Amino acid sequence: EAGVAQSPRYKIIEKRQSVAFWCNPISGHATLYWYQQILGQGPKLLIQFQNNGVVDDSQLPKDRFSAERLKGVDSTLKIQPAKLEDSAVYLCASSTGTGRAMNTGELFFGEGSRLTVL
Amino acid sequence: AQKVTQAQTEISVVEKEDVTLDCVYETRDTTYYLFWYKQPPSGELVFLIRRNSFDEQNEISGRYSWNFQKSTSSFNFTITASQVVDSAVYFCALGSSNTGKLIFGQGTTLQVKP
Repeated sequence: EAGVAQSPRYKIIEKRQSVAFWCNPISGHATLYWYQQILGQGPKLLIQFQNNGVVDDSQLPKDRFSAERLKGVDSTLKIQPAKLEDSAVYLCASSTGTGRAMNTGELFFGEGSRLTVL
Repeated sequence: AQKVTQAQTEISVVEKEDVTLDCVYETRDTTYYLFWYKQPPSGELVFLIRRNSFDEQNEISGRYSWNFQKSTSSFNFTITASQVVDSAVYFCALGSSNTGKLIFGQGTTLQVKP
């Protein structure tokens, strides 16, 4: 079974530029998550989708971050314009859980996209 | 509010030593779930275990064991006879069936030296 795929693995941009990250979850997984992991910290949830609907985006900086999950499969996370503090690893995860079971089961993570903002 | 605390930032041991990673959590939920994930240098978080709040039985899987104590709100992880391949960052996480949120701790970096 193929795992969660993410691209690009690494990206270096200058502040105020834009960047987009792509995630392909495990086939059949209804729930998709984007986490931000700053160096030395635990992952922080940015946005959570169930199929193509947003379940939780309370910690997404909506003035600069946007995400979509068209057709309930692949997802794209965009940052525009980027700030220095956006330097982090952006992790995508998926799970089979839905409803209240969404966060009670195992999450499958991709290898992440490391962003450096200069 | 929910919170996960991993007080140990870094631990260094020599191969074959036993090591325990601490995790303390806070929640007002009566039903919740606790997890441990491993993050090797490749960056991908790997699921290790999930426990629900009604199951306080300790669990052993090979060299790994977990001690869940509701009385102290702790869910500690022990690696017996550590190996170099155990070197990674380990995260404890708390999931709420009420809010649907999964909160991660800050992580403990384990270095196992040969």
